[in-house]
Amino acid sequence: KAGVTQTPRYLIKTRGQQVTLSCSPISGHRSVSWYQQTPGQGLQFLFEYFSETQRNKGNFPGRFSGRQFSNSRSEMNVSTLELGDSALYLCASSILGQDTEAFFGQGTRLTVV
Amino acid sequence: GNSVTQMEGPVTLSEEAFLTINCTYTATGYPSLFWYVQYPGEGLQLLLKATKADDKGSNKGFEATYRKETTSFHLEKGSVQVSDSAVYFCALDTGRRALTFGSGTRLQVQP
Repeated sequence: KAGVTQTPRYLIKTRGQQVTLSCSPISGHRSVSWYQQTPGQGLQFLFEYFSETQRNKGNFPGRFSGRQFSNSRSEMNVSTLELGDSALYLCASSILGQDTEAFFGQGTRLTVV
Repeated sequence: GNSVTQMEGPVTLSEEAFLTINCTYTATGYPSLFWYVQYPGEGLQLLLKATKADDKGSNKGFEATYRKETTSFHLEKGSVQVSDSAVYFCALDTGRRALTFGSGTRLQVQP
């Protein structure tokens, strides 16, 4: 079956702009989580969605937001981009209630200039 | 709060050497423990997991045992290959679908 698909794979944005990243989970997976990966901070949890509801949120400013659609696809948005937002953004999906195994996409590499 | 501590890398080994990557954790409750691997330019792949104390996770020759008394989940492999070169992440989840990761350990295997 198809894996987790993230689009686009690469993005270059200017400071102050906003960006939207997309994630399509594995078919049948209803939980989608987002993570930020940077050399300095490592992998950090952003938020998790289930059935269009945000259930958990990490310690990130309000400029980071997300949503989930009825088909479980998810988007995350970052407004007023800062240089420090440059990172690999990873999406993971899982089947809630069976186990906690998360399947990750290849990520979107965001560069803010 | 929850945290995961991994040994600093890079770890450089010759092919067929024995591998150990140490991982200790701090968590409330009873977390599930994971090892993920990241190859260059790729996302994370689950390598193995353990969901309760004394469980042993294993996959592709890698093993790790959930040790509650020492709060550890060390990764081991008896004979590494060049293709095992990657970054390895130890992680935990207390059931909130929010993984807490260690800083990662880069493994370099030389032929």
